[in-house]
Amino acid sequence: GQNIDQPTEMTATEGAIVQINCTYQTSGFNGLFWYQQHAGEAPTFLSYNVLDGLEEKGRFSSFLSRSKGYSYLLLKELQMKDSASYLCAVAFTGGGNKLTFGTGTQLKVEL
Amino acid sequence: NAGVTQTPKFRVLKTGQSMTLLCAQDMNHEYMYWYRQDPGMGLRLIHYSVGEGTTAKGEVPDGYNVSRLKKQNFLLGLESAAPSQTSVYFCASSYLRTANNSPLHFGNGTRLTVT
Repeated sequence: GQNIDQPTEMTATEGAIVQINCTYQTSGFNGLFWYQQHAGEAPTFLSYNVLDGLEEKGRFSSFLSRSKGYSYLLLKELQMKDSASYLCAVAFTGGGNKLTFGTGTQLKVEL
Repeated sequence: NAGVTQTPKFRVLKTGQSMTLLCAQDMNHEYMYWYRQDPGMGLRLIHYSVGEGTTAKGEVPDGYNVSRLKKQNFLLGLESAAPSQTSVYFCASSYLRTANNSPLHFGNGTRLTVT
């Protein structure tokens, strides 16, 4: 299979930094996406990594290590509106145009 | 700036009934997808299309059919609904293959309950 693992839930404090991890099987890896999904809404694209290293976009950064099958999403200066589910999704070669999604990490930001 | 539009937003069906979920995108995207999202399961691909007139099976295609007669529309049909098809259904589109840094654009979802 092409399991993607991420924690089910995380809690953090407003203004803090939180790191959400994602691990996946390395065989056939062809790109990794992070999406944000607020309750009752559609997922929205946050970031894409295909090479090793850190991609930064404002308060959000995403890191990839292909050899370790590991990625993380880093959220800085947390705001209440960041409370949402964060989905890790991986494209694998031989899978056509399909993305395999993790089950998502529900982040709760508290005062 | 509509993006991806799904109809209906909510639907309740009885076991054995049929229905069609409609998806329309105005971004001229080649690729379109239907996913279902269930608690604890993540998004799972039902069917997808790489262009007008083409369709392909995803991870969980059984019990569903699709059609892509026009580039902007992708229809998902349930011929005989079952309680196991109770879910939230998302349509998505992308300009290129997702492996080419072409993110998915999602519709707002259809909440389907089958009793």
